[in-house]
Amino acid sequence: AQTVTQSQPEMSVQEAETVTLSCTYDTSESDYYLFWYKQPPSRQMILVIRQEAYKQQNATENRFSVNFQKAAKSFSLKISDSQLGDAAMYFCAYTDSWGKLQFGAGTQVVVTP
Amino acid sequence: GAVVSQHPSRVICKSGTSVKIECRSLDFQATTMFWYRQFPKQSLMLMATSNEGSKATYEQGVEKDKFLINHASLTLSTLTVTSAHPEDSSFYICSARESEGSWGSGNTIYFGEGSWLTVV
Repeated sequence: AQTVTQSQPEMSVQEAETVTLSCTYDTSESDYYLFWYKQPPSRQMILVIRQEAYKQQNATENRFSVNFQKAAKSFSLKISDSQLGDAAMYFCAYTDSWGKLQFGAGTQVVVTP
Repeated sequence: GAVVSQHPSRVICKSGTSVKIECRSLDFQATTMFWYRQFPKQSLMLMATSNEGSKATYEQGVEKDKFLINHASLTLSTLTVTSAHPEDSSFYICSARESEGSWGSGNTIYFGEGSWLTVV
């Protein structure tokens, strides 16, 4: 069975600074997809970034980038130039079949002025 | 972009009654939808996979008779919480795949807005 682990319950960052959220996963599959989702207090799930396991290049989306280490089964998210609107719960997620997602426990990001 | 709509966003029901939550894909056909449950300050837990025209596949530990899932059309899946009790109070959220066939790089997952269920 696949597992997704987020070991940081909460991370605090100052505006304009950078924060990195960690995520590790366990799988025996070679073809899979990894995601970072943002969940604000509204509970809406917002896709931040996705990474295909077969791609060696790390995905980037504006101020968000990942460090994907396939051999180490690590998938960290870096938020650069943090903004107040980045404050939310962030979930790391994995899927290898049909879009069924396995989520990590989540990391609460707090952004201070 | 594609949208998944979930209704109602909030519902309060009396203990012992049943409540239905709808998940609709508004501009695409979704043969597969997923239902998740989220307790306060916790992660999303997959409850079941909803398959159009066939029975849902439930995750281990999820009571099939309590959480009835019906995927009668390519754009609608429903979750019915039967004989609801206060412990069923939770946030329920659905997701849908936009593409057909096996999972691939062209696939996208869309989430509904979620439904808060309170059983009193």
